Amino acid sequence: GIQVEQSPPDLILQEGANSTLRCNFSDSVNNLQWFHQNPWGQLINLFYIPSGTKQNGRLSATTVATERYSLLYISSSQTTDSGVYFCAVGGSGTYKYIFGTGTRLKVLA
Amino acid sequence: DAGVTQSPTHLIKTRGQQVTLRCSPKSGHDTVSWYQQALGQGPQFIFQYYEEEERQRGNFPDRFSGHQFPNYSSELNVNALLLGDSALYLCASRLDRGTEAFFGQGTRLTVV
Repeated sequence: GIQVEQSPPDLILQEGANSTLRCNFSDSVNNLQWFHQNPWGQLINLFYIPSGTKQNGRLSATTVATERYSLLYISSSQTTDSGVYFCAVGGSGTYKYIFGTGTRLKVLA
Repeated sequence: DAGVTQSPTHLIKTRGQQVTLRCSPKSGHDTVSWYQQALGQGPQFIFQYYEEEERQRGNFPDRFSGHQFPNYSSELNVNALLLGDSALYLCASRLDRGTEAFFGQGTRLTVV
């Protein structure tokens, strides 16, 4: 099955700093999403991005499917950005998502 | 537009008991998947339901079973609970493959 690796595993930032989170996957994918999991466990949709580039406010994401990676950019980070960020991918011929181990982000005031 | 809703939000059960978790998909979605998330890990796929049939199953024992109703809502049943079944159980819905999935707030199950 597809392997998903996220880096870095942990990240501590000062408020206002920028960061880049990476997701590598081992095979071609039909689906890819980025989620933010808040302290209560809710997975919040950030981007559905199997390929290309998208932006939403301070967040943007790029997936280069041919090179099997995706990047999530967070600019001008805020304390409310703290939490765990997951990349989830779905391959062809499968209906399930495979999640990475996540990046734990803490933004300090 | 209500998103994916799960009930209950928290549950405490004793080893050996059975539990049923419920999920109502986002309006217009016909596909429901269930995931188990242990503490400190990413969610793991349990199974997916479409047209009231289990369409794909992850690496979980037969103690885990499910059902989808004609209104697309779904249940996850776990029999003979083990301490290791303690986890956050997440339900996701989408409109078939190749579309964005949305997750509910989860049910936190504690087995004592």
